[in-house]
Amino acid sequence: KNEVEQSPQNLTAQEGEFITINCSYSVGISALHWLQQHPGGGIVSLFMLSSGKKKHGRLIATINIQEKHSSLHITASHPRDSAVYICALLSGSARQLTFGSGTQLTVLP
Amino acid sequence: EPEVTQTPSHQVTQMGQEVILRCVPISNHLYFYWYRQILGQKVEFLVSFYNNEISEKSEIFDDQFSVERPDGSNFTLKIRSTKLEDSAMYFCASRSSYNSPLHFGNGTRLTVT
Repeated sequence: KNEVEQSPQNLTAQEGEFITINCSYSVGISALHWLQQHPGGGIVSLFMLSSGKKKHGRLIATINIQEKHSSLHITASHPRDSAVYICALLSGSARQLTFGSGTQLTVLP
Repeated sequence: EPEVTQTPSHQVTQMGQEVILRCVPISNHLYFYWYRQILGQKVEFLVSFYNNEISEKSEIFDDQFSVERPDGSNFTLKIRSTKLEDSAMYFCASRSSYNSPLHFGNGTRLTVT
């Protein structure tokens, strides 16, 4: 069974700060999702990556397959970035996701 | 951009009743999933569906649960004889191919009283 650990559990930042959320896992994977869960509960997929780095706007995701570690970075954070960020691993023959516990991010104006 | 649509957004039911949660995946998607999130807990995998049959299911997905794709567009999760502990947010998700990203619906919040 693949264990997924995220850190920190909770993060409070001031608007404009650079934010990093980390994800570690125990068993080799083929790919990993970073997801954003809004206060209302809806889930949005931010990135799916299996190697290297991806960038979308102010969001950057990196993964190191050998070290079994991924990070999500947010540059120039904004209060609208406040949400729960979840790391989820692709596994199984049906490619279902195994979810981390999430990081609650609050960005203060 | 195409979306995964779930209805209803909130369902309240009495213990012992049957509920059907509905999902309309993105039209050209081939792989379908149900997940649930009990309040304050992680999202958990329930079941995956491909080529009109279940491809994988978790230990949560017991005989109380069933899935169906009754026509070309809907994907449903039926929960028979609901229990208090079935109260959760249920998410439908779909993907177009084996290696493409998952797209999630906004969820159905099920409350069993």
